Amino acid sequence: QSVLTQPPSVSGAPGQRVTISCTGSSSNIGAGYNVHWYQQLPGTAPKLLIYANNNRPSGVPDRFSGSTSGTSASLVISGLQAGDDADYYCQSYDNSLSVFYVFGTGTKVTVL
Amino acid sequence: QVQLQESGPGLVKSSETLSLICSVSGYSVSTSGYYWGWIRQPPGKGLEWIGNIHQSGNTYYNPSLKSRVTISTDTSKNQFALKLSSVTAADTAVYYCARGRPGIVYFDFWGQGTLVTVPS
Repeated sequence: QSVLTQPPSVSGAPGQRVTISCTGSSSNIGAGYNVHWYQQLPGTAPKLLIYANNNRPSGVPDRFSGSTSGTSASLVISGLQAGDDADYYCQSYDNSLSVFYVFGTGTKVTVL
Repeated sequence: QVQLQESGPGLVKSSETLSLICSVSGYSVSTSGYYWGWIRQPPGKGLEWIGNIHQSGNTYYNPSLKSRVTISTDTSKNQFALKLSSVTAADTAVYYCARGRPGIVYFDFWGQGTLVTVPS
């Protein structure tokens, strides 16, 4: 049972903008802990997409951006491409569970 | 470039101990400050953190698995290992090893994962 809730799925046409939410609580995102995002292409391992709320590792296009507000975080994919068809997970720390890495429930992005 | 590779049996009998090794190349597991962790993903489901070992040797486990998990390092081989005891079918998953950044808690490099099946 994850403490970070994401919508099961979002979809969009190529070129469109989609937003994935990650809803937490006062013991994780709301406490100011950083949020990170991972992209998992079909049949592959997760890949770091965004770290520390809004930072992109080298090689990640600026079409991907992250933000936080209150007890939630968001990942925005602009200019959606066929290659963005994947599962996306948010991750943070939770001080009430003593779990260093809590992952979101995951969101499947479908490019129509 | 940091690379991680999991290895171990793909089939473990119920009640036995699951043992996996993560071989690291391009970076030393002894490098100051870094964590080395295990994450699993049951088929068709989300990610679950199992535990980490710090470069210092300190270990951190998910409370839900703590009683059954042991993570250790072998610096001479630049590897770290996972042992999960008393497995059941619920432990069937793809197991990933990954490198954890110091300070800010996230994983920046992941192995490709290995499927471990526990027949019911």
